[in-house]
Amino acid sequence: KQEVTQIPAALSVPEGENLVLNCSFTDSAIYNLQWFRQDPGKGLTSLLLIQSSQREQTSGRLNASLDKSSGRSTLYIAASQPGDSATYLCAGIRSNDYKLSFGAGTTVTVRA
Amino acid sequence: NAGVTQTPKFQVLKTGQSMTLQCAQDMNHNSMYWYRQDPGMGLRLIYYSASEGTTDKGEVPNGYNVSRLNKREFSLRLESAAPSQTSVYFCASSEGPVNTEAFFGQGTRLTVV
Repeated sequence: KQEVTQIPAALSVPEGENLVLNCSFTDSAIYNLQWFRQDPGKGLTSLLLIQSSQREQTSGRLNASLDKSSGRSTLYIAASQPGDSATYLCAGIRSNDYKLSFGAGTTVTVRA
Repeated sequence: NAGVTQTPKFQVLKTGQSMTLQCAQDMNHNSMYWYRQDPGMGLRLIYYSASEGTTDKGEVPNGYNVSRLNKREFSLRLESAAPSQTSVYFCASSEGPVNTEAFFGQGTRLTVV
């Protein structure tokens, strides 16, 4: 059974600090990695997709890296803002059936 | 900008009742998925459809059935609801296999009493 692990489970930082969220996976069939944001009571919003041919992706203040050899992905959020407060989920996508397997998420609180 | 649309948004069922959760996407995606989200358990895959005409079981399929009605629509049916099926259900879709970015609906909050 593949596992996707996210550490830490929760994080609280003052506004302006950079955020580093970690995701690790054990299934070698995972070839793409997607990061999502979920606000309380809402659905999942796609942030970044890193494909197997890429090592990182950037969108605004967000940067995500993928190291398949070590089974790790990291999401960096620069200069955090209170509006960044949410739960961040990573999902590994398998190459044989395209199913997504999710980590439990990291709940981020950015203090004003 | 509809994306993935789920209906209903909320539902309360009595034990033993049946219902169908509807999902439709307007992005011409090939693959569609049903997940449930429970506190402490994260998101778990119930069923998925890699392409129109195919469906397959995920991690927690017991008590559910699905129908891929056409390329746009993928429904989830609870034949005899149980309290253990109280959860938030999410439908998702992706183009696959080259572009696997998945998009999610807003969810259906189901309570079985």
